[in-house]
Amino acid sequence: AQSVTQPDIHITVSEGASLELRCNYSYGATPYLFWYVQSPGQGLQLLLKYFSGDTLVQGIKGFEAEFKRSQSSFNLRKPSVHWSDAAEYFCAVGAYNFGNEKLTFGTGTRLTIIP
Amino acid sequence: DGGITQSPKYLFRKEGQNVTLSCEQNLNHDAMYWYRQDPGQGLRLIYYSQIVNDFQKGDIAEGYSVSREKKESFPLTVTSAQKNPTAFYLCASSIELASDTQYFGPGTRLTVL
Repeated sequence: AQSVTQPDIHITVSEGASLELRCNYSYGATPYLFWYVQSPGQGLQLLLKYFSGDTLVQGIKGFEAEFKRSQSSFNLRKPSVHWSDAAEYFCAVGAYNFGNEKLTFGTGTRLTIIP
Repeated sequence: DGGITQSPKYLFRKEGQNVTLSCEQNLNHDAMYWYRQDPGQGLRLIYYSQIVNDFQKGDIAEGYSVSREKKESFPLTVTSAQKNPTAFYLCASSIELASDTQYFGPGTRLTVL
């Protein structure tokens, strides 16, 4: 079975600073990897996804993530954060040859932006 | 606008009562899902439905029931058998089960008094 670890429960970043949120996964085959964002009291929105090919993927809202097989990581990055980026971020891993019923979510990282 | 609606946004229930959470989508998606979210935990899958009149248990189905009589609707009933029902419940849908993108509703916060 696959698993996902988001080591940082809470991160605080100054507006305009760069951001990196960590995600480590465990899966025996090539994983499907996702990053979702959740604003307070709201549902989740897909930021980006990795299935195969280029290991650097671009997403919405200026986010990107890099798949590193050797480190079993899929870290999310943004060069300059905006106050509107304050939210909770979830990494998820899917299983090859399965659908969303096998999607495993991490416990989330809450991002706070300070002026 | 296409999307997923969940109602109500907040729901209070007394212990021992069953309660039904509504989920409706107008995206013409075949697959629908119910997740439970607790503080400090990731989303956990309760039930999913690949197509109308079909549904399967997810990882934490005990104490919950669903139906899928219409393509656009996937209501979740939290029964009195669910020992710890207070949580945030999210409904989602996708074009099909293998689709890479799920679309989420705004959620229902259930509190048991």
